[in-house]
Amino acid sequence: QVQLQESGSGSVKPSETLSLTCTVSGSSIISGSFWGWVRQPPGKGLEWIGNIYHSGNAYYNPSLKSRVSLSVDASKNQISLRLTSVTAADTAIYYCVSTANERAPFDPWGQGALVTVSS
Amino acid sequence: DIQMTQSPSSLSASVGSRVTITCRASQSISVYLSWYQQKPGKAPSLLIYGTSNLQVGVPLRFSGSGSGTDFILTINSLQPEDIATYYCQQSYSVPYTFGQGTKLDVK
Repeated sequence: QVQLQESGSGSVKPSETLSLTCTVSGSSIISGSFWGWVRQPPGKGLEWIGNIYHSGNAYYNPSLKSRVSLSVDASKNQISLRLTSVTAADTAIYYCVSTANERAPFDPWGQGALVTVSS
Repeated sequence: DIQMTQSPSSLSASVGSRVTITCRASQSISVYLSWYQQKPGKAPSLLIYGTSNLQVGVPLRFSGSGSGTDFILTINSLQPEDIATYYCQQSYSVPYTFGQGTKLDVK
C-alpha cells in the first residue's frame, strides 16, 4: 500500500522560496506513477499545483508555472516541490498525491503539510 | 481551463435520507470525473473515479453517475459519519481542476 509523507519548513517569509519533500513508501517512485501536489488554503478549496513522472516529465498549473518546479530523487524515493517568490496567498496545506496516469484520480493523498507565509 | 461548478455549496440532511450533489463542467470531460470526501482536519480521500466506479472500501450507499458535462454524487441512507465536504475533480485535461466543494452536515 502506497503511503506519502510530506516534510519541510512550516514557515516561510514573503518573497522567499517554499520547499517541501514527499517521501514515498510502499512503492518505488520509478513504478510509473504520476506524482504530484495539491494545496488548500485554510478554510478554502483544493488547487492542483503540478505532477511529475520519474522521468522528469512534468505538468504545472499555469497559474503557478513561472514560480513552481517539481523534481524526483529516485535514490531517496522522494519528490520535491519548490515555489519561489511566495506571498501570503501561498499559505496553505500542501498535499502530496499519487495518480496512476494522466487521467486517473488522485489516490492516495499524504496527510498534508501546513506552510505559513509570514514575516 | 475547465471550470467545475458544484451545487449546492452546503446542505443539511437527516440521517437515513438520500443526498445528491451535482457537478457541472464548463466543457465535456467524458467520464474523467472523480469525487473526494474530506472530513474536518483530514486529507481528502477518493470516493468515486471514472464517474461511477466506487473506490475499494467505500460504502455502497455512495454512487456516481453522469457523463459529458453533468455529474451527480448520490448518498443513499445518509449516515452521521458522512459529515464532510465533498469535491468533484476533472482529470480530462491539464490543469486538473476541482469544484468549490459541498459541505454536508446532518440535521
